[in-house]
Amino acid sequence: DTEVTQTPKHLVMGMTNKKSLKCEQHMGHRAMYWYKQKAKKPPELMFVYSYEKLSINESVPSRFSPECPNSSLLNLHLHALQPEDSALYLCASSQDTSGSGANVLTFGAGSRLTVL
Amino acid sequence: KNQVEQSPQSLIILEGKNCTLQCNYTVSPFSNLRWYKQDTGRGPVSLTIMTFSENTKSNGRYTATLDADTKQSSLHITASQLSDSASYICVVSPDYTNAGKSTFGDGTTLTVKP
Repeated sequence: DTEVTQTPKHLVMGMTNKKSLKCEQHMGHRAMYWYKQKAKKPPELMFVYSYEKLSINESVPSRFSPECPNSSLLNLHLHALQPEDSALYLCASSQDTSGSGANVLTFGAGSRLTVL
Repeated sequence: KNQVEQSPQSLIILEGKNCTLQCNYTVSPFSNLRWYKQDTGRGPVSLTIMTFSENTKSNGRYTATLDADTKQSSLHITASQLSDSASYICVVSPDYTNAGKSTFGDGTTLTVKP
């Protein structure tokens, strides 16, 4: 299995809703990432988990709450979002967090979030 | 500041033609450079990855080159197909730091027309 699976593919929520995005990989990767991507822009790093521990939080607002229940799963809990949070949310994984040449980010297909 | 600049911003070509996309970077130190293809509304898919010592890497009709001295890379697409229409993103990673801290270019949007 060489895939990163994200659910749901599409999510529409109101500003008072609580929802979650889910990400799963079975490649034995020990690093997992959340990215946010606006239209026609490159992905922006939000969070990095390394060996199930949060290692990087790129000053993301607390209305986004990541969770890594185990080495294969990564969640992003959403609460009290704003319309400007509407974007494509990408999950990625890699063998670990080193920047070595063999360490390629494998991305999921993304979850398209719309906040009304 | 680490930067990755891609050109052109967008490109339209006819099916069957070749094209070359450019990537210039100022990331230092340098570990590897990757080209990704991203279809609209989908996640990026890795095409090639090159380290400092590699000058060229091919993946089917895609050939990437790297000049680490001038800090330039190119992605050449041969005999383009309609399915090549996508955004192509150049991503550069520095040595021994978090892979997630890679620097992404803004991408080149390629449209292949019949």
